[in-house]
Amino acid sequence: QVQLQESGPGLVKPSETLSLTCTVSGGSISSYYWSWIRQPPGKGLEWIGYIYYSGSTNYNPSLKSRVTISVDTSKNQFSLKLSSVTAADTAVYYCAREYSGYDSSATRGDYYYYYMDVWGKGTTVTVSS
Amino acid sequence: DIQMTQSPSSLSASVGDRVTITCQASQDISNYLNWYQQKPGKAPKLLIYDASNLETGVPSRFSGSGSGTDFTFTISSLQPEDIATYYCQQYDNLPRLLTFGGGTKVEIK
Repeated sequence: QVQLQESGPGLVKPSETLSLTCTVSGGSISSYYWSWIRQPPGKGLEWIGYIYYSGSTNYNPSLKSRVTISVDTSKNQFSLKLSSVTAADTAVYYCAREYSGYDSSATRGDYYYYYMDVWGKGTTVTVSS
Repeated sequence: DIQMTQSPSSLSASVGDRVTITCQASQDISNYLNWYQQKPGKAPKLLIYDASNLETGVPSRFSGSGSGTDFTFTISSLQPEDIATYYCQQYDNLPRLLTFGGGTKVEIK
């Protein structure tokens, strides 16, 4: 089955750029959305952004100015760059696959639905000098 | 931006109890609401998608309901292995932006 694995430095200095890669194994990166989510220590989940395999992206407005997500279909990987990091960016970073389905009902008409069905185990990134 | 208010933030219940968690959206999100379970040190796991659909392989004691702005997640008979934090997650459309609720930590009394 599809598995995701995050990789990258576990320690980043303040004001530098955090860079992580998610490698997709057991399946193709095509035809799905791919998200990054983070979780600061002892806190809840925060969506960072996603990329479609074709390259289109959407980002959390609160992080948009600092985030870039890219995809490399030849390597079955997608990546996260977060610039100008501070201690507040210290977190466990997860990558996840987002499945999209299509349905139709009398009340809702035609619609797509989405959910994150496959997650990586997460990687801890600490921002500290 | 759509805000998600999840309550309670924590609860304690006995094995066999019915447990209910609510999520309220700041505006109508139709049925675009998912529920996840996260155990300590682990990645979240999808339980319910599109408000009320049970993910394959998830026990039937878990259920979800609601539409518009008000949603409910229920564990019909709490089991020891259900100890976890549960999150709701919504998505806008056009552009599709995602937001998680604050989480509900479920403990055994």
